[in-house]
Amino acid sequence: QKEVEQDPGPLSVPEGAIVSLNCTYSNSAFQYFMWYRQYSRKGPELLMYTYSSGNKEDGRFTAQVDKSSKYISLFIRDSQPSDSATYLCALGVDSNYQLIWGAGTKLIIKP
Amino acid sequence: ETGVTQTPRHLVMGMTNKKSLKCEQHLGHNAMYWYKQSAKKPLELMFVYSLEERVENNSVPSRFSPECPNSSHLFLHLHTLQPEDSALYLCASSHRLAGTPISGNEQFFGPGTRLTVL
Repeated sequence: QKEVEQDPGPLSVPEGAIVSLNCTYSNSAFQYFMWYRQYSRKGPELLMYTYSSGNKEDGRFTAQVDKSSKYISLFIRDSQPSDSATYLCALGVDSNYQLIWGAGTKLIIKP
Repeated sequence: ETGVTQTPRHLVMGMTNKKSLKCEQHLGHNAMYWYKQSAKKPLELMFVYSLEERVENNSVPSRFSPECPNSSHLFLHLHTLQPEDSALYLCASSHRLAGTPISGNEQFFGPGTRLTVL
C-alpha cells in the first residue's frame, strides 16, 4: 500500500465550478498536510498547509484534514482557468525534511 | 535572478554522455535538495545537503553524483544514464533542513530540468 494515494486525473471542470481534490494516507504520524501547485514548465509552489486537523481557508481555497479517516482535501471555489495546474499533496512530520508526496492531480478548468 | 534557478531547462543526452545539471538559490537558504519527478509518480527525494554537507542519499544509483560547493549552488553530475532516468529533475531549497512550512521553512522549488536519455 502506498503511503499517500492521489488520483492523477486529469480532472476537467467548467469555469466557476467548485473543485474538490483529495489525498488519502496510511501513516497516522503525519502532522503537516500541504498542498503544492505546479504549473506547466514550473516547479511546485506551496499553496497552503494545515497543521494537525481541521480546516484552513485562504481566499477561494480551503484545505481540510480529517485525521480519523486519514483523508485530506483541497476545495477551490469559483474556479478560474488560471487554476489549471497539477496539485500535489505532501505530508510531513515536524523537523523532518522527508516529505511524503502524492502523485499529483492534473486539474483543467475549461472557460 | 530571484528564487531558485536551474540550468539547463532541457537536456537530451545519450547513454554514454556526461553532463551536469546546475541549481542556484538566491534566497540565503542553508539546505538544498534534488528531486526526481516522473509522470504520474510522487516526487522522489534523491539527495539532501545542509550547510554544504550531504545528509541524505536515498539509494540513488552511482551514475548520479551530487556536488554542493557552497550553500547557494548545487550540481547533479550525470554519466552513463539509462532511458528510465528520463524525467524532470527539480532542485529545492529551504532556510534550514526541514520540509514542513512552520516558521516559513517550506521548500522552494526551481523550474526543473527536463532530461531525456536516448
